[in-house]
Amino acid sequence: EVQLLESGGGLVQPGGSLRLSCVASEFIFIGFDMNWVRQAPGKGLEWVSAISESGNAVYYGDSVRGRFIISRDNSKNTLYLQMNNLRAEDTAVYYCAKGVSTSRAYSWYDPWGQGTLVTVSS
Amino acid sequence: IVLTQSPGTLSLSPGERATLSCRASQSITSNYLAWYQQKPGQAPRLLIYGASSGATGIPDRFSGSGSGTDFTLTITRLEPEDFAVYYCQQYATSPSFGGGTKVEIK
Repeated sequence: EVQLLESGGGLVQPGGSLRLSCVASEFIFIGFDMNWVRQAPGKGLEWVSAISESGNAVYYGDSVRGRFIISRDNSKNTLYLQMNNLRAEDTAVYYCAKGVSTSRAYSWYDPWGQGTLVTVSS
Repeated sequence: IVLTQSPGTLSLSPGERATLSCRASQSITSNYLAWYQQKPGQAPRLLIYGASSGATGIPDRFSGSGSGTDFTLTITRLEPEDFAVYYCQQYATSPSFGGGTKVEIK
C-alpha cells in the first residue's frame, strides 16, 4: 500500500521558517510528480506547490510563490517544502500528495498523507 | 479557474440519492476535473478523476459526469459512511479546489 508520511510541522513565529518532509514508500517515487496541498483550520483545500518526477520543474500557488521552495531527494524517497517568511495566514494542515506519471504539470492526487500542522503565531 | 460548489450543505437520509454540483468560471479542457471525499480528521480521498473515471477501490455508487464548465458527482444510494465533505478540483491549469459540499444526515 502506498504510504506518505509528513513531518516537520509545529509552532513558528511570523517571519520564521520551517521545513516539512514527506517520506514515501511502496511505490516508485522517482516515477511520479509530487505535491503539497494545505487546509487552514475549518476551511477548504488550497494547492501549494508541485514538482516533477526529476525535480527539474517546480510550480507554486500565488500565495506562496517567492517564499516557499519545493524540492525532492529521489535517493531518499523524500519530498520537502521549505517555508520562509511565514505569515499567520499560512497556518494550516499541510498534506503531501502523490500525482501521476504524465508529461503534464498538474494532475489529480492519490493518495494523500495524513498531514502535518503548521501554526504561525507569536 | 474558480470552482463553485453547490449546495454548501446537503441534508439527506441513508439510501437517498445525492447530486453535487461543481461549476467552473471557464471551460476546463479535456475534463481535467477530480472529486475527493474528506471525513473529519482525515486526509481527502480521491473518488473520481477525468470527470468520470472512478478511482481504484471506489464503490460504483459514486459516479461523475459533466464537461466544459458544469460537473456533477452523484452518489446513487447514500451509505452511512458517505456522510462527509466533498471537494472538486481542476488540474487543467494551476490547480484549484471548490469550496466543498457537506453531505449531512437529515
